[in-house]
Amino acid sequence: NAGVTQTPKFRILKIGQSMTLQCTQDMNHNYMYWYRQDPGMGLKLIYYSVGAGITDKGEVPNGYNVSRSTTEDFPLRLELAAPSQTSVYFCASSYNRVSGNTIYFGEGSWLTVV
Amino acid sequence: TQLLEQSPQFLSIQEGENLTVYCNSSSVFSSLQWYRQEPGEGPVLLVTVVTGGEVKKLKRLTFQFGDARKDSSLHITAAQPGDTGLYLCATHSGTYKYIFGTGTRLKVLA
Repeated sequence: NAGVTQTPKFRILKIGQSMTLQCTQDMNHNYMYWYRQDPGMGLKLIYYSVGAGITDKGEVPNGYNVSRSTTEDFPLRLELAAPSQTSVYFCASSYNRVSGNTIYFGEGSWLTVV
Repeated sequence: TQLLEQSPQFLSIQEGENLTVYCNSSSVFSSLQWYRQEPGEGPVLLVTVVTGGEVKKLKRLTFQFGDARKDSSLHITAAQPGDTGLYLCATHSGTYKYIFGTGTRLKVLA
């Protein structure tokens, strides 16, 4: 079972460059999320989506954009990369919003902006 | 916005010792989840607690949900090096968002 798949695993960007982190899930989950995790810290929600065509901002959306054209895919776009965006990015999904539902995470994408 | 504060932030103990980590909020939780994250991987769900006062056990891990559903604790008995990792609590915030706590980084020394 693939679950949640993220690419790339590692990436180094120069300041001002742009890139897209890809995320796909094969569990037919409605809900998808992007989190960032700074070293030694918890997870901060960047954006989330409740279904194809619907996205909304999380706690730290500035400098990022998302789209959800299909149920399976939820790419995260970084525009004009800044050193403050150096972090580990996790894509996640869950079946529905019923309290206590399990969130499944990808393995993470390590991004360094220099 | 609901905030989840975890304590302690870091914990380094010897194998065989017991420990407790805490997750607190100023708001009432609809439910609360505990995740463990190992280095280089995404978090993995350990347990979900829903009812105030609920206690759940997972081998040497005991999870408790506060009576008022504003706090939770995770107790590990006879910690082992395999318990090393980042422990995160999480809850539902607003309509669709899951938010995570600040995390407790545990290191168990052999």
